[in-house]
Formats: sequence, C-alpha cells, structure tokens
Amino acid sequence: EAQVTQNPRYLITVTGKKLTVTCSQNMNHEYMSWYRQDPGLGLRQIYYSMNVEVTDKGDVPEGYKVSRKEKRNFPLILESPSPNQTSLYFCASSSTTGGDEQYFGPGTRLTVT
Amino acid sequence: QQPVQSPQAVILREGEDAVINCSSSKALYSVHWYRQKHGEAPVFLMILLKGGEQKGHEKISASFNEKKQQSSLYLTASQLSYSGTYFCGTLFSGGYQKVTFGTGTKLQVIP
Repeated sequence: EAQVTQNPRYLITVTGKKLTVTCSQNMNHEYMSWYRQDPGLGLRQIYYSMNVEVTDKGDVPEGYKVSRKEKRNFPLILESPSPNQTSLYFCASSSTTGGDEQYFGPGTRLTVT
Repeated sequence: QQPVQSPQAVILREGEDAVINCSSSKALYSVHWYRQKHGEAPVFLMILLKGGEQKGHEKISASFNEKKQQSSLYLTASQLSYSGTYFCGTLFSGGYQKVTFGTGTKLQVIP
C-alpha cells in the first residue's frame, strides 16, 4: 500500500530538548516536504527536498532542520524546541515536483511546554 | 505570500452548489486543491497547471484563470461527505518548488 508514515504521532516535550520526527514514504517519490498547521493559518511549508541531498527552505524554516540522506526518508529535527513550535506537523511526498499530487502522512501533534 | 481563499466558511444543504475561490498576487505555475476532514491528513482533489492541463478526480470541477492568477473549485450537488476544510496551494512561476497554501475554506453540508 502506497503511504507516507510519520513517527511519533503524538509527542509532548519540554523546551530545549532536541527531538526528531521521522517521515518515510514507499512510493519512490523524489519530492518530500514538511508542513506545520496552526488554527487560522492553514498549512505552512517548513522545508522541502527535491531529491537526495537537495533541500531548501519553505516559508517558515526558522528553528527546524532537515536532512535527506535516503530517498525514502525525510526527518524533521528540532534542535531546541520552543513553545511556539507547538503545532500539527505533516510530511508529504510527490513523484517529482510541485506539479504533482502530494501524499500526506497522518500528522504528528507536537506540544512543547 | 499565501493565496487568499474565499469564502472563509460556508454552510450548504445537501444538493446545493458551492464555489470556493483562490487568488494570488504572484504569477502562478500551478494551483492545487485539497480537502481535509477534522483530525485527518489533507487529501488531494485536483491540480491545475499553467497551460490548461488538469489532473484530478473526475467528479471535481475547477478552473484556473492564468491572467488573473485565480482558481475556483466547483462543488455541485453537495453531499454530506463534502464537509471539511478546503485548501488551495499555489506554486509560483519562477523556478522555486515551494507550495504555499491558503488559510482554508470550511465547508459544512447539512441534511
């Protein structure tokens, strides 16, 4: 079954404690992306990747890091989380670029206290 | 810059029609439409590309006015299952692959 998986689905952490949210897709997609969703603000892109070792900033990259060492994985790293990063995070992938359908993961609800 | 969606919210009775609009101040390469139900991930509906190509579900209808940088999603004979929040996403012309989503249109279909 074609899918995008994210782990963990729920996470409560404290300010400053480094964390990683994993994202994996089994569709051999080149394009992967991270979004955060906050009430009233819609989906905002954090980072995207066009292929292995090729990443670029989205609209709200501050406080986040990503890496793309393998085609299927695109982890999101928060090195020093802060309460304003409390949000619902979605990973997505598509076959090539922004001109294609994006498949979204189930989401990770992060709370930073 | 986020595209602007209108209306922000709409309530329909089953069988009624609705139009959701999306506009941008920048030249667009493509417009994407997704629907999200509460607590779930967004689900793809349609992509409209510069030049007229469309990819998506046959039951969904949409338009893309390249000159005005506007897109509209047409929901006809609405069903209860159409309820959810609709997002348009835009990919700007110019080489970057950032997809920028609007703030959403909340649609509720009632019996």
